[in-house]
Amino acid sequence: DIQMTQSPSSLSASVGDRVTITCQASQDITNYLNWYQQKPGKAPKLLIYDASNLDRGVPTRFSGSGSGTDFTFTISSLQPEDVATYYCQQHHNLPLTFGGGTKVEIK
Amino acid sequence: EVQLLESGGGLVQPGGSLRLSCVASGFTFSSYAMNWVRQAAGKGLEWVSSIGGAGYSTHYGDSVKGRFTISRDNQKNMLYLQMDSLRAEDTAVYYCAKGGIVEPTGLDYWGQGTLVAVSS
Repeated sequence: DIQMTQSPSSLSASVGDRVTITCQASQDITNYLNWYQQKPGKAPKLLIYDASNLDRGVPTRFSGSGSGTDFTFTISSLQPEDVATYYCQQHHNLPLTFGGGTKVEIK
Repeated sequence: EVQLLESGGGLVQPGGSLRLSCVASGFTFSSYAMNWVRQAAGKGLEWVSSIGGAGYSTHYGDSVKGRFTISRDNQKNMLYLQMDSLRAEDTAVYYCAKGGIVEPTGLDYWGQGTLVAVSS
């Protein structure tokens, strides 16, 4: 199975700050990497697919980059509505595997 | 608009069975793989199972293999998860999630989830 290591597990930042989350795969997954946002009590929502493509309707302050084993998710200017847990997920192989999540809070 | 609505969760004793359902709308159901993903309280996401669009290919996570069975009815736009020999560690919110045309795939739409609690 492909292991996904996500860091940090939590972070606290001010409104307007740039926030960066990293995700590392245990083997090469090319660009088969998605990022999801999960707000408390809600289902996950797809934000970015195939490492760097913004899903429809997702604000442009969200972005993703990377390929191979190392990936980055960025919020360019943190907003109060971005408080959530963010997960990376590889779809290169089954079983689909997720990172452990990053909880983002406002300072 | 894509919509996924799960049902069938509840409280069940260890060793018991439960069948989850997910009704889909807003897309050509038979063309897409479908998945079940679960989340224990306060924990991360765990992929459980997937099924291809035609229903012939199925896959399971190691933790549920041999106990859970995924199926679909493309005439009714329904996805199912038959859960047998349930254990306490199966307690979680179970999400139905839409995949892509080919597997493996990312998950672009999710239902709101249904809670399964396994306890005596």
